[in-house]
Amino acid sequence: GQQLNQSPQSMFIQEGEDVSMNCTSSSIFNTWLWYKQDPGEGPVLLIALYKAGELTSNGRLTAQFGITRKDSFLNISASIPSDVGIYFCAGRRTGTASKLTFGTGTRLQVTL
Amino acid sequence: NAGVTQTPKFQVLKTGQSMTLQCAQDMNHNSMYWYRQDPGMGLRLIYYSASEGTTDKGEVPNGYNVSRLNKREFSLRLESAAPSQTSVYFCAGAGTSGYNEQFFGPGTRLTVL
Repeated sequence: GQQLNQSPQSMFIQEGEDVSMNCTSSSIFNTWLWYKQDPGEGPVLLIALYKAGELTSNGRLTAQFGITRKDSFLNISASIPSDVGIYFCAGRRTGTASKLTFGTGTRLQVTL
Repeated sequence: NAGVTQTPKFQVLKTGQSMTLQCAQDMNHNSMYWYRQDPGMGLRLIYYSASEGTTDKGEVPNGYNVSRLNKREFSLRLESAAPSQTSVYFCAGAGTSGYNEQFFGPGTRLTVL
């Protein structure tokens, strides 16, 4: 089955640094979602994007729905230790209203 | 409001044993989903139920069955467990907005020996 291309696969950054990650696809998506998964927990929805070009923030997190509708970006500003986890993108394609396609995740490690 | 709950949290089975993973939601979701998560593989859809009374196969349905018991509950059954089914299983429910924002349970960690 199709999965979204998410990069980077992992990141090691220092506390206070900004983080950028992205998700790309060969298909057009109508909705982009970003999730965070803490160790031993289920994914938690961070940000939802509904139209091309949309830029949405949630605290230190900002996500954008790409203009081509084939990509999305997530930025985290001034990272803190609790940002550690795996970040997943997910998208909903036309004609697949009941299903999401997930990226393989970006693992973020924050050092003090 | 507990959201999406799953039982059990952990389970160890022997090859060939059967078991049912339970999922319940109190968020009035129409759609519910079962995923498995393996290292480096992300989330893969096993089965889903777009509405009460309907179920459909996802990406990796072999070896599993599901039941949408009512709007709140969606169970996943392993009839004859195999070591390849060792994984973390997540249940999710989707909101009624039409955009399919999914909300996940805490997961069941299953080991098949």
